[in-house]
Amino acid sequence: DTEVTQTPKHLVMGMTNKKSLKCEQHMGHRAMYWYKQKAKKPPELMFVYSYEKLSINESVPSRFSPECPNSSLLNLHLHALQPEDSALYLCASSRERTGIQHFGDGTRLSIL
Amino acid sequence: QKEVEQDPGPLSVPEGAIVSLNCTYSNSAFQYFMWYRQYSRKGPELLMYTYSSGNKEDGRFTAQVDKSSKYISLFIRDSQPSDSATYLCAMSPNYAGGTSYGKLTFGQGTILTVHP
Repeated sequence: DTEVTQTPKHLVMGMTNKKSLKCEQHMGHRAMYWYKQKAKKPPELMFVYSYEKLSINESVPSRFSPECPNSSLLNLHLHALQPEDSALYLCASSRERTGIQHFGDGTRLSIL
Repeated sequence: QKEVEQDPGPLSVPEGAIVSLNCTYSNSAFQYFMWYRQYSRKGPELLMYTYSSGNKEDGRFTAQVDKSSKYISLFIRDSQPSDSATYLCAMSPNYAGGTSYGKLTFGQGTILTVHP
């Protein structure tokens, strides 16, 4: 079992739907990350939160909206997604000042 | 040229073989070197990490870092079919005194199959 928990595991949505992905960690890490991963590719960074503040947005389209309600939780709100957004969405967390990140098992997202 | 180069394989070996996985990099600022194992339909699992140079051993796994050559390796001894997965190397600078988060640079991943 991973120490970073993501829900749901699978999500199928239409292009007009609004949905949210959730991530939770209880390791006391103060940095949290969202990644997108396509088949046979490494994870691609989307957002970084540090001490609950957005630190990095890697030029992600506005149809993806992150939120960090507290130091243990991270959400990714989805709206009006495109078929090319179908991918595995991964959440990760790390201690301050290291790149040693721990990943969840991801949400497999399919856009119809 | 990518900052981190990793041979994508695929690599197929018989059970019991010694497996060597490698990455080269170009950024001298990298100080943390990680190996992740990713099974199909799962997230990357942190296998081992090394800070700066040297070797680290954990059971059947040994990680080596040669900063002079900008080359890192992961060795798997007595490989098992359960080791079949994609192995990702990842690196980051030492952010001490700087930002409070660590941005990773990944290799492309090597697909490993260990057949019985």
